[in-house]
Formats: sequence, structure tokens, C-alpha cells
Amino acid sequence: GAVVSQHPSWVICKSGTSVKIECRSLDFQATTMFWYRQFPKQSLMLMATSNEGSKATYEQGVEKDKFLINHASLTLSTLTVTSAHPEDSSFYICSADRGGARAEAFFGQGTRLTVV
Amino acid sequence: QKEVEQNSGPLSVPEGAIASLNCTYSDRGSQSFFWYRQYSGKSPELIMFIYSNGDKEDGRFTAQLNKASQYVSLLIRDSQPSDSATYLCAVIGGSNYKLTFGKGTLLTVNP
Repeated sequence: GAVVSQHPSWVICKSGTSVKIECRSLDFQATTMFWYRQFPKQSLMLMATSNEGSKATYEQGVEKDKFLINHASLTLSTLTVTSAHPEDSSFYICSADRGGARAEAFFGQGTRLTVV
Repeated sequence: QKEVEQNSGPLSVPEGAIASLNCTYSDRGSQSFFWYRQYSGKSPELIMFIYSNGDKEDGRFTAQLNKASQYVSLLIRDSQPSDSATYLCAVIGGSNYKLTFGKGTLLTVNP
């Protein structure tokens, strides 16, 4: 199956700093990538849809100025958590698909963010 | 009404038994249905997908789809302790091709 690579797999940062997470589709071009957040024992919550060459579409309740998404190429999307706070500590997961009505999602390995 | 609903569990079955996981969805125009398995602290991985009414079998896994009832299920035969995980049902909606996940069902297979 297709491979989506996410980096870093874990990061610890100080409160108030920013953290960038990368998501790459390694063997296919993804015009759309998705960013999810998952708190312990909770389901995946879609944060935003990242569109190559255009602005991301954010889900209700997600602050676009805090979670900056850049989809600069067909194989790379980045999520930057700005001015991180302890409540931003979570498991962030990206996914990509080939698009269309039958497209299965391929997930990155996830990034465990801990803000101290 | 939630778009994709699953019983959160936990569902506990003995080793060797059949585990049955259920999912309902609200968008009648939905076209594609997926089951993902997620181990604790890991990303989801695709187990099965199904597009047409009926059963689809892959090894110990069988996905069942009933579009009239807006219901999709996953059966795991000969359950193993390694099957213990959270199982996520995901549906692609009929209008916007958006993939929506259920909250997942935690399955525990007891040795």
C-alpha cells in the first residue's frame, strides 16, 4: 500500500514555543492531506483539510492562527503548532489519499506532542 | 445525529471466539466504508474496505454492508490476543467525499 511518512514521531517542547510537523506522501501525489488530533482514549478528530496550493479548510473550533498548515507541494504538508501550551499536548496524525469516492486513507505514523 | 456511530465498548471476547463490531452511518448516499485498527499509541491501519452490499471476506476478517439499513459490521473469526485494539469505522460521504470516522470500539481478546 501507499506510504505516508510523518516526522517527528515525538517531540517535547516548552510552553510558548512553536513546533512543526511534516507529513509526506512517499509514492503518490496527494492534492489533499488531512490533519487529525487524538487525545488519550478519544477518537480521531479532524482538525483541517490541507489543500495543495491553497488555504487549508479548518473544522469548527480549530484555530487557524494557532495551527498553521502549509501544503507547498503534492507530497508535503506541514502543521505548525504556534505558541504551544500544555493543553495542546496530544497525538497528531496526518493522512493522505488518492482522492475520489473510494479512496482509502493512508496514515502517517503520528506525532506525540508534549508541551511542558 | 452523529454521522458515524459505534459502540465504544469495551468489547471483551475469549480467544478463539468471533468478535462482532458494528457501525451505523447517517448519510444514505455514502459510497465507501472502511475498517481501521488502531493499537494504543499508534496510527490507524486499514483492515478492510467494502463498497457493495453483502459480505466481503479477507482471512479471518469479514466486512458486512447493508446500505438499506445504513449498517456496516466487521467480524473477526478465531480472535487472537493480538487483535486487541480499537477498531474504527470510517465512511466516505456521498456528497463531499469526506472521510468521517466513528469513535471506535475497544476490543479485548482474553487468552
